[in-house]
Amino acid sequence: DAKTTQPPSMDCAEGRAANLPCNHSTISGNEYVYWYRQIHSQGPQYIIHGLKNNETNEMASLIITEDRKSSTLILPHATLRDTAVYYCIVSVGGSNYKLTFGKGTLLTVNP
Amino acid sequence: DADVTQTPRNRITKTGKRIMLECSQTKGHDRMYWYRQDPGLGLQLIYYSFDVKDINKGEISDGYSVSRQAQAKFSLSLESAIPNQTALYFCATSTAGGAVDTQYFGPGTRLTVL
Repeated sequence: DAKTTQPPSMDCAEGRAANLPCNHSTISGNEYVYWYRQIHSQGPQYIIHGLKNNETNEMASLIITEDRKSSTLILPHATLRDTAVYYCIVSVGGSNYKLTFGKGTLLTVNP
Repeated sequence: DADVTQTPRNRITKTGKRIMLECSQTKGHDRMYWYRQDPGLGLQLIYYSFDVKDINKGEISDGYSVSRQAQAKFSLSLESAIPNQTALYFCATSTAGGAVDTQYFGPGTRLTVL
């Protein structure tokens, strides 16, 4: 699986958009980009995934560059409850589906 | 009720003891996973199972064993616990097949080996 690079920490003001970057320059054509988050030692929670196109769901938006070498997770209106470690993961799907977690980005949402 | 449950939630044990961590799920998923997390680090995969008859080693399986008793149950054992196995342990499940599926995690078990 390809490796990812994320900043170790970021801050965001409550109510503002939080934009979390991820570099995955060695991503293969069949690898998806997944985002999970972990709130203070709880079990990680799935947020969103994408292959080529931008994606949006009730939690967030995922913007993937055209060359697929980087992506950005956007939380449109961050709240204090969004303070968490956010993991960007690239992985193939199907029978080889496994997640490799790095250290992620600690997002702190400030009042 | 939670879809993925882990027991116990906290456990303190001594070096050399045998420990079993249990995971149960009501999601009807075929795939189950065990991860460990050390302080300040991401999760590392210990074992995974794609169905009842399938068991696979992950990145850090040494010192651990697993049992998939049923589709809904996946247990992790430490045959002889050692202090560097002190960590947070997570069970996860996911659906089988398809190009993409997502993993659902339990609340975790905090294990301390003295």
